Parts: sequence; C-alpha cells; structure tokens
Amino acid sequence: GQQLNQSPQSMFIQEGEDVSMNCTSSSIFNTWLWYKQDPGEGPVLLIALYKAGELTSNGRLTAQFGITRKDSFLNISASIPSDVGIYFCAGSEKLVFGKGTKLTVNP
Amino acid sequence: EPEVTQTPSHQVTQMGQEVILRCVPISNHLYFYWYRQILGQKVEFLVSFYNNEISEKSEIFDDQFSVERPDGSNFTLKIRSTKLEDSAMYFCASSVLYTGELFFGEGSRLTVL
Repeated sequence: GQQLNQSPQSMFIQEGEDVSMNCTSSSIFNTWLWYKQDPGEGPVLLIALYKAGELTSNGRLTAQFGITRKDSFLNISASIPSDVGIYFCAGSEKLVFGKGTKLTVNP
Repeated sequence: EPEVTQTPSHQVTQMGQEVILRCVPISNHLYFYWYRQILGQKVEFLVSFYNNEISEKSEIFDDQFSVERPDGSNFTLKIRSTKLEDSAMYFCASSVLYTGELFFGEGSRLTVL
C-alpha cells in the first residue's frame, strides 16, 4: 500500500526557533495535508494542499506541495511552547498518514 | 463550534467480546471515517462511509469489523470478537467533501485483556 516517510522522527528546539519537517512518498498523491495531534486528542488539520507546487501559510505555519507530487514540507516559524505535539503529514483523500514528527519546545 | 463526538472515551473488554464504538459526526458532513492508532504509532485508515455504504476500506478492516449508521446522527464501529491486537485508540472523523480535510473526534481507547 501507499506509504509516507516522515522526518525527522523527533525534534527538540528552543522557543523562538524555526522548525522544518518533511514527508516523501514513492507514489503520487493528489492531496497533501498536515495535522497536529496533542496528547490524548484526535488529529487537527493545520494545512491542506491540493496543487503541485502550492505554497500555503496558516499563521506561523507554511507548507508546500512538492512539484513531483511525492513530497511536502511543513515549516513553523518562531516556535512557541504550545507548538508541542506530534505533527503528521497525510496524503490522499482517505488519508495515509506518516509516522509523525514529535516536537518538543523548550521555553 | 461543531465537533465530532465519540463514546465511550475508554472501554476495557475481554478478548472475544463484541465492542461497539459510537460516533456522532458533524451534522452537515457527508463522509464518515474510522481510523485507529496503536499506542505510539501512526494513525491508520480503517474505513470510509458515504451514502449509507462503505466507500473504501483498508486491509485492517476485515470481517471482524463492521460499520453502521443506524439513524440520522450516529455512526458506529463494531468489532465482533476482539483480539489483544485490537487494543488501540479508535478515531472517528467526518468531512463535507472527500478531500482529506477531516474533523476528528477525541477518540475511544479500547483495551482488550
């Protein structure tokens, strides 16, 4: 089946730093989405991307849909403590999820 | 703000027992989904449901699983005879369109002993 490789697995950063994480796939996706999951809760949609090359921002978050349609990245600028959580990339309409990037922000 | 609600939040059951997890999707949404997340692992697609029938299902969704929309508001996942490896967090989600922009519930934790 379709699989996504998400990296890094975890990140430890200082408050105020920028963060970048990415996902790659061996197959083409028509949709790339980024979700955040807080402990004990369901994933929450951050950004949805529908066109190859599309660059979309949501506040301090920026995500891009790769030209090849096989990759996407998510950047978080000027991180704050509430950015802590697990970030998942997901592809396609039924959502194939990556394994997640666990973000820790030290105040 | 409308949200997807799930019950129970946690269920403990004996292996071999039947379990029904319940979900109330957002009222104007047309697509409904179940996902599961084994502790510490990624979220995995189980099934999508539209117009009162399954539209897509994964290899995980075998004959032990079934879904139903018994009335206009509830969407249920039934596991007929639970196994130890069914222990996981089960998330219900819904969407207006089949675009991947899903709204997830807070999950039902299933523990099979």
